[in-house]
Amino acid sequence: DIVMTQSPDSLAVSLGERATINCRSSQTVLYSSKNKNYLAWYQQKPGQHPKLLIYWASTRESGVPDRFSGSGSGTDFTLTISSLQAEDVAVYYCQQYYSTPFTFGPGTKVDIK
Amino acid sequence: QVQLVESGGGVVQPGRSLRLSCAASGFTFSSYGMHWVRQAPGKGLEWVAVISYDGSNKYYADSVKGRFTISRDNSKNTLYLQVNSLRAEDTAVYYCAKDPYYSDSRTYYCDHWGQGTLVTVSS
Repeated sequence: DIVMTQSPDSLAVSLGERATINCRSSQTVLYSSKNKNYLAWYQQKPGQHPKLLIYWASTRESGVPDRFSGSGSGTDFTLTISSLQAEDVAVYYCQQYYSTPFTFGPGTKVDIK
Repeated sequence: QVQLVESGGGVVQPGRSLRLSCAASGFTFSSYGMHWVRQAPGKGLEWVAVISYDGSNKYYADSVKGRFTISRDNSKNTLYLQVNSLRAEDTAVYYCAKDPYYSDSRTYYCDHWGQGTLVTVSS
């Protein structure tokens, strides 16, 4: 099984500042023949279901603000919130869908400093 | 718009069974793969199982393999999760979620989620 790790476990960022979350997979999630990274990012606000933010490692889901961006390839990935807003307080998860079981990272909690 | 409504959760004794349901609307259910994902109280997300749009492919997390069965009834627009031999560690909110691609036997990520149904395993 592919093991997903995230860092940090939590972070506090001032409003308007940048937040960076890292995700690492225990093996590559890059499907070479398709040149696609099978990696998604989700946001879960308190008391709510998860929401898809990013897929194929860097493609923003429709309706997601452009302050959210994803990058990386192979085994190392990053979710960046360029200018943190109050409504971005949430737990963020990465997930690989390269091979079953489709494992999630443990989550990173983002708060306002 | 896509709507997913889970039901069937509740309090159940260890070793017993439940069948969770997910009623889908707002899209052509029979053309999309579907997932179950769970979240224990105060914990992270755990992917549980996935089924292809036509039911021909099913995959499970190691933690539930042999105890849980995913299925679907495309005539009723409903996804199921039969959960047997329940353990305390199966206590969680169970979410159903939709796969994004039309009539693709391969499955991917979750683009729409339900609100979840809580399963509590306790004597």
